[in-house]
Order: sequence, then structure tokens, then C-alpha cells
Amino acid sequence: AQKITQTQPGMFVQEKEAVTLDCTYDTSDPSYGLFWYKQPSSGEMIFLIYQGSYDQQNATEGRYSLNFQKARKSANLVISASQLGDSAMYFCAMRENSAGGTSYGKLTFGQGTILTVHP
Amino acid sequence: DVKVTQSSRYLVKRTGEKVFLECVQDMDHENMFWYRQDPGLGLRLIYFSYDVKMKEKGDIPEGYSVSREKKERFSLILESASTNQTSMYLCASSLGVLFPEAFFGQGTRLTVV
Repeated sequence: AQKITQTQPGMFVQEKEAVTLDCTYDTSDPSYGLFWYKQPSSGEMIFLIYQGSYDQQNATEGRYSLNFQKARKSANLVISASQLGDSAMYFCAMRENSAGGTSYGKLTFGQGTILTVHP
Repeated sequence: DVKVTQSSRYLVKRTGEKVFLECVQDMDHENMFWYRQDPGLGLRLIYFSYDVKMKEKGDIPEGYSVSREKKERFSLILESASTNQTSMYLCASSLGVLFPEAFFGQGTRLTVV
């Protein structure tokens, strides 16, 4: 079963508008972390934001916020005031902190969403 | 800043060749990972290492092996390259469970002809 699902292969947004990138996850581990990474065309993976499963508040980092709905097992990324430089591939990922830490920080990734920002 | 460096951005190899992809990190991280990225599949874990000389299989280890002789260096080895191993390979490192962020190298785009 897919542990991380990103159902939007591509998204388009107008510059200065907000956009939401969807991510749902599946785990039975009570302790886990959710991540979003950005991958520009140059290929490097840029860490954007992290949400722990026990965090009470939704994570925010500048223009990025994570809409964490634990009961629905969703962790959508919201980008406010989109910029042309936001055009990139975006990956949602999960780390399960199970079994005394033997996950060793392994990340499971979704398929990715290509975001295109139009001027 | 943490730096994870992969030895090559682009590689072209012939079928049957032995291929080494090298990755070095400069922040004394315990954990290192090799992922493969293919369109529509996201990143899939090939192997990871949580200490020197320790390694664990990821989700798609077939056709690959790894080596970690020093803490800062993690090598991915394709014993006999095949065309279905043409892909983007990404190395990552992280400090441990309590420190969430994983840091990635710039990626190696490998083409096997």
C-alpha cells in the first residue's frame, strides 16, 4: 500500500496567489514526522517544512504552512503569495519513528507534484 | 551549512560495467541514504547506513550494493549496470531520529547504454 500519496501530478497557479499541494499518508505508527521538499529543475532537494505527529500546532515557515489534519491523515502544503521561483517539483515525505528508533530517519516519499507559477 | 556532495552530476556507463557513485557529507551525520528518483514514482530508498560498516536494505536493493568504510563517505555500487538502472540517484544524510531534517546531495543522473 502506498504510504504517501500525492494525487496532483501537476498544479498551476497565478503569481501572488496561494496554492495548496495535497498529501495523504498511511501509518499505524503513533510517532512520525511529515516533511515537504522542493526540487527545482537543477535537481537539489530543498527542505521546506516539518510537522511532528505530536505537534499541536500546524507548522509554518515564512510563506509555507503545513495544514496537518491528523484524523484525515493529510498534510497539505500551502504556499502563500506564489512567486515565479516557486515553480518546481514538490515532494511530501514521512518518517516513521518506530521500533526504538530503528527507522534511522528513513524517509518515504510521495510521487511528487509539479507546480508551475504563471506571471 | 551542511554539505552533501556527490562525486558526479552526470554519468554515462555501458551495460555490464561496474559503477561507483560516491557521496560525502561534512557534518558528522550517523545516517546516510541512497535514493533513486524516477518520474511518477518519487524517491525510493535503495540502501541506508546508520554507522560505519553498517548497512540496511531499503525498498529496492536488487542490483545494488553499498560501502561505508568511513563515517563521512557512503558509496553506491552497481555491480553490473543495466539499462533499467538509468535514473537520478540522490544521496542524503541525517543526524538521527531527534533531528528531523535530511540533507541531500545535488544528485547524479546516470545513463546506462
